[in-house]
Formats: sequence, structure tokens, C-alpha cells
Amino acid sequence: RKEVEQDPGPFNVPEGATVAFNCTYSNSASQSFFWYRQDCRKEPKLLMSVYSSGNEDGRFTAQLNRASQYISLLIRDSKLSDSATYLCVAIIGMDTGRRALTFGSGTRLQVQP
Amino acid sequence: DTGVSQNPRHKITKRGQNVTFRCDPISEHNRLYWYRQTLGQGPEFLTYFQNEAQLEKSRLLSDRFSAERPKGSFSTLEIQRTEQGDSAMYLCASSLAYGGRSYGYTFGSGTRLTVV
Repeated sequence: RKEVEQDPGPFNVPEGATVAFNCTYSNSASQSFFWYRQDCRKEPKLLMSVYSSGNEDGRFTAQLNRASQYISLLIRDSKLSDSATYLCVAIIGMDTGRRALTFGSGTRLQVQP
Repeated sequence: DTGVSQNPRHKITKRGQNVTFRCDPISEHNRLYWYRQTLGQGPEFLTYFQNEAQLEKSRLLSDRFSAERPKGSFSTLEIQRTEQGDSAMYLCASSLAYGGRSYGYTFGSGTRLTVV
């Protein structure tokens, strides 16, 4: 079982739709969580960190449920420019020193006009 | 400073050849990471450096792979006797780490390796 799992999609949605991505992690000692965005043949870029209290950045809302080991990303009012792969990321385990990122396989979003 | 720089952007090599990639991190960053990404997968951790010290290597990093960061600045990743399974995007990232936290984690654009 992978340490971070995501539905690979693709999610095909019309412009203006609300779309939600889910992610689960297997190591309960995981500490920090993020959503990254990756455009085709480009490097991953940080979209937002994920906090237990939930956090919002414009049209994007991220939630963390530690009890269920579950992370979500909600995108409201989808734009064509949101089309990308969204990677769920965790820093696994108690070793804060390492700070290497463990990525899910990504969920592909295609927003259609 | 324009961020993390990786060279070359693309490399095509014949099976059995050796290849070397270079990463120039953000200048004040003390941590440097190498990841590998294959099609349809997220990046996978390979190794990382704190200054010039290589502190961890993933089991993905076979004996054919070696990485260096000789002066704590740029890093090289060498693959010897390349195999077709080595074809992937090799990503470098850097960050400033202190107090058990990481700041400014930034990826380079990657080197895409194709082994034919």
C-alpha cells in the first residue's frame, strides 16, 4: 500500500463547477501536509499547506482529518487555468529533520469550457 | 537568484552509457533533495544533502546512482550503465532548514532522461 493515496482521475468538469479531491495517508505519525499543483511536463509547485483547522486561499479550501488520516482539496468556481495534476503531499513520520516530501500519484483535473 | 536551476533540461542516452545531471539550488539554501518522477506517478524521494553531507539515500537509489554536493552548493547526480527503467524526470529541490523546519522549499524544472 502506498503511503499517500489519491484517486488518479481524470476529473472532467465544466467551468464554474466545484470539484473536490481526496487523499489518504497510511502513517499516523505523518506531520505536515500540502497540496501541490503540477502542470504537464513542469515541476510541482506548492498550492497550499493543509492544517487541521482547515484553511482557505481564494477559491481553494484544504482540510485535514487526522482521525481518519484524510486530506481534501475543494476548488470552487473552476477556471480553465485550474487544469493540472494536483498532488497530495505529506512529510511522513516523526523525523522532522529530513523534511523529504512523500507524494501521492496525483489527481488530474481537466476543466472544460 | 532565479530559483533552482537544473541542467540539462533533456538528455537522451543509449542504454549502458553514463549520464550526469547538475542542480544549482537557491544560494542561501542548505538543504538539497533529489527526486525521480515517472509518468503517471508523483515524485519519489531519492536522496538529500544538508550542506555537503549526504544524510540519507532511498532504497530506490541503486548502486549505479551516486550524488555529490562537494562544496555545499551545486549537486550532481550520476547514473552509471543506464537502463531503460531509468527513463524519468529527475527533480531537484532546495530549502533552508533550521529549527526542525523547512523554508522556501522550491523545485527546479527537472532533467528529463530518456534511455534508448
